[in-house]
Amino acid sequence: GAVVSQHPSRVICKSGTSVKIECRSLDFQATTMFWYRQFPKQSLMLMATSNEGSKATYEQGVEKDKFLINHASLTLSTLTVTSAHPEDSSFYICSSVSGVRPDTQYFGPGTRLTVL
Amino acid sequence: SQQGEEDPQALSIQEGENATMNCSYKTSINNLQWYRQNSGRGLVHLILIRSNEREKHSGRLRVTLDTSKKSSSLLITASRAADTASYFCATAAPDDKIIFGKGTRLHILP
Repeated sequence: GAVVSQHPSRVICKSGTSVKIECRSLDFQATTMFWYRQFPKQSLMLMATSNEGSKATYEQGVEKDKFLINHASLTLSTLTVTSAHPEDSSFYICSSVSGVRPDTQYFGPGTRLTVL
Repeated sequence: SQQGEEDPQALSIQEGENATMNCSYKTSINNLQWYRQNSGRGLVHLILIRSNEREKHSGRLRVTLDTSKKSSSLLITASRAADTASYFCATAAPDDKIIFGKGTRLHILP
């Protein structure tokens, strides 16, 4: 099946620093990638939709200047958490949609961010 | 991260009929979540059922959880054309790591 990787799987950083998370579709071209955030014991929250070569579409309440998304190629999207604060600590997960199969998505393993 | 199993992989039913999708998993969980995905769109959260719950309702949706069998089912009653979508289950482990199934593609026929 299709494989999506995320890097890093776990990151601990100091408050005020920026953290970049990569999401790669390893064996297919992803026309669309989604970024989600999960708070403990809660469901996923869609943060933004990332389309290759265009600006990401952010969900209401998600700060675009804080969560920078770049989808520079059909296999890579990055999420940068800028000036991270402890409240940004969360589990971030990406998913990829193939242009050939828009009715399903493939999930990365997630990145656990802890901001001290 | 897709280790859960949903069945069927694809399901076509007539409008008005009930649709049942199943999800099995392998590890112990804190909760199990069902999501819907319309073609090309992000996930929409439907229901979260905790490991100590057996059944939960939301409108036309009914979710059951059997932790002894490590399985869950999603029932959509009186299906509508707008219910056509892919449905995913996801399990949240005690460390909050979330694992998705591969999804069931539901098609409601007019």
